[in-house]
Amino acid sequence: AQTVTQSQPEMSVQEAETVTLSCTYDTSESDYYLFWYKQPPSRQMILVIRQEAYKQQNATENRFSVNFQKAAKSFSLKISDSQLGDAAMYFCAYRSAMRNTDKLIFGTGTRLQVFP
Amino acid sequence: ETGVTQSPTHLIKTRGQQVTLRCSSQSGHNTVSWYQQALGQGPQFIFQYYREEENGRGNFPPRFSGLQFPNYSSELNVNALELDDSALYLCASSPRTGDPYGYTFGSGTRLTVV
Repeated sequence: AQTVTQSQPEMSVQEAETVTLSCTYDTSESDYYLFWYKQPPSRQMILVIRQEAYKQQNATENRFSVNFQKAAKSFSLKISDSQLGDAAMYFCAYRSAMRNTDKLIFGTGTRLQVFP
Repeated sequence: ETGVTQSPTHLIKTRGQQVTLRCSSQSGHNTVSWYQQALGQGPQFIFQYYREEENGRGNFPPRFSGLQFPNYSSELNVNALELDDSALYLCASSPRTGDPYGYTFGSGTRLTVV
């Protein structure tokens, strides 16, 4: 069975600085997708960034980028130029590429605080 | 384009009771998934519905059941509520089964069992 581990329950960063959130996962599959979701107090899960396992290039979305290390099964999120609005819970998630399996497997989350 | 809507937003029930949570999927989405998020945890997959049939289930007992209607909206039913069922229940819809990118989540229903 696949598992996702986020070892940082809480992180903090100062506005305009850079912070990296860690995520490791375990799987025997070779093809899968990885995601970072943000959950603000409004509770809605918002997709931040995604990575296909078959792509070697790390995904980037504006201030958000990932460091995907397939052999190490590591998938960290870097937030550059942090903003107050980035404060939220961040969840790393795994999805098998098998067509009949839509479920996401989430880690336990990292609470990010952003200080002015 | 409307997003995923869940109702009610909050609910308090007594142990042993039954509860029904509702989810309206995003326009154009035909697949609905339900997740349970206990306090301080990540969401856990309960099940998914596609074309009114259950299409995948997580490690939840049979007292967790669901329905999907012809308009693709969905219900999650939980019978014989237990204290551990207290959680945030999230619904997510996607354009079709197997689409890895189309998940849209609702804001959830906070269920408290006393």
